Amino acid sequence: QVQLQESGPGLVKPSETLSLTCTVSGTSISTYYWSWIRQPPGKGLEWIGYIYYSGSTNYNPSLKSRVTISVDTSKNQFSLNLTSVTAADTAVYYCARPRGGSSGQFDYWGQGTLVTVSS
Amino acid sequence: EIVLTQSPGTLSLSPGERATLSCRASQSVSSSYLTWYQQKPGQAPRLLIYGASNRATGIPDRFSGSGSGTDFTLTISRLEPEDFAVYYCQQYGPSPITFGQGTRLEIK
Repeated sequence: QVQLQESGPGLVKPSETLSLTCTVSGTSISTYYWSWIRQPPGKGLEWIGYIYYSGSTNYNPSLKSRVTISVDTSKNQFSLNLTSVTAADTAVYYCARPRGGSSGQFDYWGQGTLVTVSS
Repeated sequence: EIVLTQSPGTLSLSPGERATLSCRASQSVSSSYLTWYQQKPGQAPRLLIYGASNRATGIPDRFSGSGSGTDFTLTISRLEPEDFAVYYCQQYGPSPITFGQGTRLEIK
C-alpha cells in the first residue's frame, strides 16, 4: 500500500533553514504531483507547494521566496527546504499525494512531523 | 487567491442528527476542483469528497457533497460517534491551492 513518511529535525533555530524529506513507498514517485502542506498548532491547513516528478514546481506565493521543493527519483523521495524561519513557521508538516490525474485531491498523507522554531 | 469561508465555525449536534456544513468561495470554483476532508485530533486529514460530490474510496454513503459556483455543502445524513471531527473544504482550481478555516463538529 502507498505510504508517505516525513523525516527531519523537530527543532530549528530562528533564521535557519527547515529541511524535511518525504519517503514514498508502495508507489513510484515518477508520476503524480507531490505536495507539502503544513498546519500550525490548533490552526488550519496551508498548502506550501508541489513538485512533479519531472522537477517542475508550483509554490504558494505567500512562501515562494523562501521555499524550495526537490525530488530524488532514485530514492523515491522528495524534500522541502524553507529558509529564514521564524516562530510563525512552527507547524506540523505533512507530505501528501493526490489522486491520479489531479494536483489537489489528496488521498495519501504522511503522519506529519512537528517542527518547532525556537532558539 | 480564492478564499474559502466555512460556516459555522463550530456545530454542536447529537448522534443520529443531520449535519450541514457550508463552504463559500470568494470567486467561482469549478466543481471538479472542490474537495472535503475530515481531520481527527493527532491525525492527518482524510479525503472524504472530491469533485464536490464524489465520495472517496471507503467513505460511507451518509456523507454527501453538493454545490456549484461559490457555494458548496457537505452533508452527513445521520451522525455516528466517529464523525465528530474537524472538516475542511479545499479548492485546487487556480493556484494557490487553498483550504477553508474548518468547521468543528462536536457532540452536543
